[in-house]
Amino acid sequence: ELKVEQNPLFLSMQEGKNYTIYCNYSTTSDRLYWYRQDPGKSLESLFVLLSNGAVKQEGRLMASLDTKARLSTLHITAAVHDLSATYFCAVVRSTSYGKLTFGQGTILTVHP
Amino acid sequence: EAGVAQSPRYKIIEKRQSVAFWCNPISGHATLYWYQQILGQGPKLLIQFQNNGVVDDSQLPKDRFSAERLKGVDSTLKIQPAKLEDSAVYLCASRPLRGRGTGELFFGEGSRLTVL
Repeated sequence: ELKVEQNPLFLSMQEGKNYTIYCNYSTTSDRLYWYRQDPGKSLESLFVLLSNGAVKQEGRLMASLDTKARLSTLHITAAVHDLSATYFCAVVRSTSYGKLTFGQGTILTVHP
Repeated sequence: EAGVAQSPRYKIIEKRQSVAFWCNPISGHATLYWYQQILGQGPKLLIQFQNNGVVDDSQLPKDRFSAERLKGVDSTLKIQPAKLEDSAVYLCASRPLRGRGTGELFFGEGSRLTVL
């Protein structure tokens, strides 16, 4: 069974600081997705990482994928309040017909 | 392009009652998913359709949950009878056929169920 674990689960940051969220998964996969969820809202796609070594950046967020280590990171640079949300990583196994297995989520709060 | 539509957005029922949720995926998306998201957790897959056929329903509690996707477009998810632990947000998602696009799922706003 594919397991996806994120850490930390809760992250309280000051504006302007940098931090990284980690996503580990238990079985071979070559696709990983990062989603953002605001309270009471649905999931918004942030990044799609399709191969080993993939790196994507959008604004203050940068995601990377190391399939050999079964690890993805979401790096936050110079955090701002608008980044406060819950972040999920999700992994697809090649044999799973596109089924996404999600991590528990990381609740990020950015303080002034 | 219109997104994934879901209704109702909110539903409150007593335990042992029944409820149904409706989903209309993005036009042309062959694959449709229903996920359950319990407060504080990540979404968990209940059922996956490709066109109008079931691909994966291994985590669907079949004694009380049912889902269908007639004509390969809209889908309904039904719970009967509901239990307290069914309180959650039910998310519908869709994506194009495998091999087209990145495999990214597009989610609806969700239907929030409270069972009292």
